[in-house]
Amino acid sequence: KAGVTQTPRYLIKTRGQQVTLSCSPISGHRSVSWYQQTPGQGLQFLFEYFSETQRNKGNFPGRFSGRQFSNSRSEMNVSTLELGDSALYLCASSPLLASTDTQYFGPGTRLTVL
Amino acid sequence: DQQVKQNSPSLSVQEGRISILNCDYTNSMFDYFLWYKKYPAEGPTFLISISSIKDKNEDGRFTVFLNKSAKHLSLHIVPSQPGDSAVYFCAASAGSPPHGSSNTGKLIFGQGTTLQVKP
Repeated sequence: KAGVTQTPRYLIKTRGQQVTLSCSPISGHRSVSWYQQTPGQGLQFLFEYFSETQRNKGNFPGRFSGRQFSNSRSEMNVSTLELGDSALYLCASSPLLASTDTQYFGPGTRLTVL
Repeated sequence: DQQVKQNSPSLSVQEGRISILNCDYTNSMFDYFLWYKKYPAEGPTFLISISSIKDKNEDGRFTVFLNKSAKHLSLHIVPSQPGDSAVYFCAASAGSPPHGSSNTGKLIFGQGTTLQVKP
Protein backbone atom coordinates (compact mmCIF):
# COMPACT_ATOMS: atom_id res chain seq x y z
CA LYS A 1 0.00 0.00 0.00
CA ALA A 2 1.52 3.32 -1.03
CA GLY A 3 2.18 5.81 1.73
CA VAL A 4 1.33 9.48 1.95
CA THR A 5 2.95 11.42 -0.86
CA GLN A 6 3.68 15.10 -0.96
CA THR A 7 4.69 17.22 -3.91
CA PRO A 8 6.90 18.99 -4.49
CA ARG A 9 9.54 17.84 -2.02
CA TYR A 10 11.47 21.10 -2.20
CA LEU A 11 10.40 24.59 -3.15
CA ILE A 12 12.08 27.98 -3.23
CA LYS A 13 9.98 31.12 -3.39
CA THR A 14 10.48 34.82 -2.76
CA ARG A 15 8.64 37.07 -0.35
CA GLY A 16 5.21 38.13 -1.53
CA GLN A 17 4.69 35.14 -3.79
CA GLN A 18 2.16 32.43 -3.16
CA VAL A 19 2.64 28.69 -3.09
CA THR A 20 0.49 25.58 -3.35
CA LEU A 21 1.53 22.27 -1.82
CA SER A 22 -0.11 18.96 -2.58
CA CYS A 23 -0.76 15.88 -0.47
CA SER A 24 -2.08 12.52 -1.59
CA PRO A 25 -3.27 10.41 1.33
CA ILE A 26 -3.08 6.68 1.69
CA SER A 27 -5.75 5.01 -0.40
CA GLY A 28 -8.97 4.81 1.59
CA HIS A 29 -7.99 7.52 4.05
CA ARG A 30 -10.45 10.38 4.18
CA SER A 31 -8.77 12.67 6.70
CA VAL A 32 -5.81 14.88 5.82
CA SER A 33 -4.10 17.10 8.36
CA TRP A 34 -1.38 19.66 7.70
CA TYR A 35 1.48 20.63 10.02
CA GLN A 36 4.29 23.16 9.89
CA GLN A 37 7.67 22.21 11.32
CA THR A 38 10.22 24.88 12.20
CA PRO A 39 13.34 24.55 14.37
CA GLY A 40 12.05 26.92 17.01
CA GLN A 41 8.39 25.92 17.20
CA GLY A 42 8.51 22.24 16.43
CA LEU A 43 5.46 20.77 14.72
CA GLN A 44 2.40 23.00 14.68
CA PHE A 45 -1.06 21.97 13.53
CA LEU A 46 -2.45 23.95 10.61
CA PHE A 47 -5.78 22.31 9.75
CA GLU A 48 -7.59 19.06 9.12
CA TYR A 49 -9.85 18.17 6.23
CA PHE A 50 -12.34 15.34 6.15
CA SER A 51 -14.79 14.67 3.35
CA GLU A 52 -13.83 17.90 1.61
CA THR A 53 -14.62 20.03 4.67
CA GLN A 54 -12.26 21.75 7.06
CA ARG A 55 -13.02 20.21 10.45
CA ASN A 56 -10.32 21.64 12.66
CA LYS A 57 -7.99 24.61 12.49
CA GLY A 58 -4.83 25.73 14.24
CA ASN A 59 -3.67 29.25 15.09
CA PHE A 60 -2.33 30.41 11.77
CA PRO A 61 -3.21 33.57 9.83
CA GLY A 62 -5.66 33.56 6.97
CA ARG A 63 -2.79 33.50 4.48
CA PHE A 64 -2.73 29.78 5.12
CA SER A 65 -5.61 27.96 3.49
CA GLY A 66 -6.40 24.54 2.19
CA ARG A 67 -8.88 22.40 0.45
CA GLN A 68 -9.68 18.77 -0.11
CA PHE A 69 -10.95 17.13 -3.24
CA SER A 70 -13.46 14.34 -3.66
CA ASN A 71 -10.63 11.82 -4.01
CA SER A 72 -9.32 12.99 -0.59
CA ARG A 73 -6.24 14.63 -2.07
CA SER A 74 -5.53 17.91 -0.37
CA GLU A 75 -3.78 21.12 -1.24
CA MET A 76 -2.44 23.80 1.03
CA ASN A 77 -1.96 27.36 -0.17
CA VAL A 78 0.10 30.11 1.40
CA SER A 79 -0.34 33.58 -0.01
CA THR A 80 1.91 36.63 0.36
CA LEU A 81 4.83 34.56 1.59
CA GLU A 82 6.98 35.83 4.43
CA LEU A 83 10.49 34.80 5.40
CA GLY A 84 9.09 33.14 8.52
CA ASP A 85 7.04 30.77 6.38
CA SER A 86 10.22 28.87 5.57
CA ALA A 87 9.56 25.46 7.08
CA LEU A 88 8.92 21.82 6.48
CA TYR A 89 5.24 21.30 5.73
CA LEU A 90 3.95 17.87 6.62
CA CYS A 91 0.65 16.29 5.85
CA ALA A 92 -0.79 13.28 7.59
CA SER A 93 -3.63 11.04 6.56
CA SER A 94 -5.96 8.95 8.62
CA PRO A 95 -8.86 6.70 7.80
CA LEU A 96 -10.96 8.40 10.43
CA LEU A 97 -11.68 11.97 11.43
CA ALA A 98 -9.52 13.26 14.25
CA SER A 99 -7.89 9.92 14.87
CA THR A 100 -4.56 11.04 16.21
CA ASP A 101 -3.14 7.62 16.87
CA THR A 102 -3.62 6.43 13.30
CA GLN A 103 -2.15 9.36 11.45
CA TYR A 104 0.45 8.53 8.84
CA PHE A 105 2.79 11.30 7.83
CA GLY A 106 4.22 12.08 4.43
CA PRO A 107 7.89 13.04 3.95
CA GLY A 108 7.06 16.74 3.82
CA THR A 109 7.65 19.67 1.48
CA ARG A 110 10.63 21.86 2.36
CA LEU A 111 9.69 25.46 1.58
CA THR A 112 12.36 28.13 1.53
CA VAL A 113 11.29 31.76 1.26
CA LEU A 114 14.01 34.17 0.14
CA ASP B 1 2.89 29.87 24.58
CA GLN B 2 4.35 26.38 24.29
CA GLN B 3 1.79 23.96 25.74
CA VAL B 4 4.03 20.94 25.18
CA LYS B 5 7.71 21.28 25.95
CA GLN B 6 10.70 19.06 25.41
CA ASN B 7 13.40 20.89 27.30
CA SER B 8 16.30 18.76 26.10
CA PRO B 9 17.07 19.45 22.45
CA SER B 10 19.47 16.53 22.31
CA LEU B 11 20.46 13.35 24.14
CA SER B 12 23.39 11.02 23.61
CA VAL B 13 23.35 7.46 24.93
CA GLN B 14 25.58 4.42 24.61
CA GLU B 15 24.17 1.40 22.78
CA GLY B 16 22.54 -1.04 25.17
CA ARG B 17 21.83 1.58 27.83
CA ILE B 18 18.51 3.21 28.63
CA SER B 19 17.35 6.35 26.81
CA ILE B 20 14.93 8.58 28.68
CA LEU B 21 13.21 11.35 26.79
CA ASN B 22 11.12 13.83 28.73
CA CYS B 23 8.12 15.97 27.93
CA ASP B 24 6.16 18.47 30.01
CA TYR B 25 2.77 19.95 29.29
CA THR B 26 0.75 22.79 30.73
CA ASN B 27 -2.82 22.17 29.56
CA SER B 28 -4.73 20.01 32.04
CA MET B 29 -7.31 19.28 29.34
CA PHE B 30 -4.86 17.08 27.47
CA ASP B 31 -5.97 13.49 27.86
CA TYR B 32 -4.06 11.61 25.19
CA PHE B 33 -0.35 11.61 24.58
CA LEU B 34 1.77 10.24 21.78
CA TRP B 35 5.39 9.84 20.85
CA TYR B 36 6.59 10.07 17.27
CA LYS B 37 9.98 9.28 15.81
CA LYS B 38 11.34 11.17 12.83
CA TYR B 39 14.28 10.35 10.60
CA PRO B 40 15.77 13.01 8.30
CA ALA B 41 13.87 13.46 5.03
CA GLU B 42 10.96 11.38 6.35
CA GLY B 43 7.71 12.24 8.07
CA PRO B 44 7.17 11.39 11.73
CA THR B 45 6.10 7.84 12.48
CA PHE B 46 3.87 6.95 15.38
CA LEU B 47 5.71 5.13 18.14
CA ILE B 48 3.54 4.71 21.21
CA SER B 49 0.67 6.44 22.96
CA ILE B 50 -0.95 6.64 26.37
CA SER B 51 -4.34 7.70 27.59
CA SER B 52 -4.67 9.83 30.70
CA ILE B 53 -6.48 7.01 32.47
CA LYS B 54 -3.21 5.07 32.51
CA ASP B 55 0.18 5.85 33.95
CA LYS B 56 2.22 3.42 31.90
CA ASN B 57 2.11 1.81 28.49
CA GLU B 58 4.66 -0.63 27.17
CA ASP B 59 5.42 -1.83 23.67
CA GLY B 60 8.54 -3.92 23.29
CA ARG B 61 11.58 -1.80 24.07
CA PHE B 62 9.47 1.34 24.40
CA THR B 63 7.62 2.40 27.54
CA VAL B 64 5.79 5.64 28.11
CA PHE B 65 5.14 6.89 31.62
CA LEU B 66 2.58 9.55 32.46
CA ASN B 67 2.57 11.58 35.67
CA LYS B 68 -0.61 13.62 35.52
CA SER B 69 -0.04 15.50 38.76
CA ALA B 70 3.32 16.72 37.47
CA LYS B 71 2.02 17.11 33.91
CA HIS B 72 5.00 15.12 32.76
CA LEU B 73 5.53 12.18 30.48
CA SER B 74 8.61 10.27 29.54
CA LEU B 75 9.64 7.73 26.95
CA HIS B 76 12.04 4.99 27.97
CA ILE B 77 13.91 2.98 25.36
CA VAL B 78 15.60 -0.12 26.72
CA PRO B 79 18.00 -1.27 25.41
CA SER B 80 18.89 1.58 23.08
CA GLN B 81 20.09 0.69 19.60
CA PRO B 82 21.92 2.78 16.99
CA GLY B 83 18.84 2.56 14.76
CA ASP B 84 16.93 4.47 17.42
CA SER B 85 18.94 7.58 16.55
CA ALA B 86 16.30 10.06 15.38
CA VAL B 87 14.30 13.07 16.48
CA TYR B 88 11.58 12.21 18.97
CA PHE B 89 8.48 14.33 19.31
CA CYS B 90 5.94 14.10 22.06
CA ALA B 91 2.42 15.26 21.27
CA ALA B 92 -0.76 15.82 23.22
CA SER B 93 -4.41 15.97 22.36
CA ALA B 94 -7.48 17.17 24.23
CA GLY B 95 -10.81 15.48 24.06
CA SER B 96 -9.73 12.53 21.95
CA PRO B 97 -12.74 10.63 20.77
CA PRO B 98 -14.10 7.61 20.37
CA HIS B 99 -13.18 7.49 16.76
CA GLY B 100 -15.35 9.54 14.50
CA SER B 101 -16.05 12.42 16.84
CA SER B 102 -15.53 15.89 15.51
CA ASN B 103 -13.54 18.87 16.67
CA THR B 104 -10.77 16.82 18.14
CA GLY B 105 -7.56 15.36 16.98
CA LYS B 106 -5.52 18.51 16.95
CA LEU B 107 -2.11 17.35 18.02
CA ILE B 108 0.09 19.77 19.93
CA PHE B 109 3.72 18.81 19.48
CA GLY B 110 6.83 19.52 21.47
CA GLN B 111 9.94 20.90 19.81
CA GLY B 112 11.59 17.52 19.56
CA THR B 113 14.64 15.85 21.11
CA THR B 114 17.41 14.49 18.93
CA LEU B 115 18.57 11.13 20.26
CA GLN B 116 21.95 9.78 19.28
CA VAL B 117 22.75 6.21 20.23
CA LYS B 118 26.46 5.52 19.98
CA PRO B 119 27.67 2.02 19.07
